[in-house]
Amino acid sequence: RKEVEQDPGPFNVPEGATVAFNCTYSNSASQSFFWYRQDCRKEPKLLMSVYSSGNEDGRFTAQLNRASQYISLLIRDSKLSDSATYLCVVNGLLSGGSYIPTFGRGTSLIVHP
Amino acid sequence: DVKVTQSSRYLVKRTGEKVFLECVQDMDHENMFWYRQDPGLGLRLIYFSYDVKMKEKGDIPEGYSVSREKKERFSLILESASTNQTSMYLCASSLLAGGLDTQYFGPGTRLTVL
Repeated sequence: RKEVEQDPGPFNVPEGATVAFNCTYSNSASQSFFWYRQDCRKEPKLLMSVYSSGNEDGRFTAQLNRASQYISLLIRDSKLSDSATYLCVVNGLLSGGSYIPTFGRGTSLIVHP
Repeated sequence: DVKVTQSSRYLVKRTGEKVFLECVQDMDHENMFWYRQDPGLGLRLIYFSYDVKMKEKGDIPEGYSVSREKKERFSLILESASTNQTSMYLCASSLLAGGLDTQYFGPGTRLTVL
């Protein structure tokens, strides 16, 4: 059940670059969308929620395109500390009728000097 | 701050052993989840619980069971551990059900089954 798909990367970019990730989802009834960040050997942590109108938090911008069923994350002025795996999360429907959070497999970002 | 704790960071067990992984959250969240994470496969949902005494199968429940006797505690049980259950296990909790809001994760338990 591949409901949420991401390009695994790695995206290898220099400091200061702008980089964008996309994530596609298959369930048109999905209601909630998030980006999480996971550092090596650590647990995932919420980076930002994704709202219909798009939202920005400092160097990070998230957008939702319901018509094409994808969400995006844009990182401007990349820092070395941005190196991590970025996980897309969309709520989807299980066969039993419950909605659950569904994770993409993650996109690896490596920012180099 | 929400705190989710897991009973062990590292665990080594033998094939056939019964394994208990404990998870406790301190924010009075109704909703709790167990995932496993494997390289190249991402996080996969094993079981979840949207209420005390309620438990529901996720995407990969085979070989696992769960217990939720108290709101703050959600336990994952491997009835008879096998080598293919070697993985990182992550517990999470959230205020709202259905994946509608932020999940807070524990630090994970890296389980090795020999």
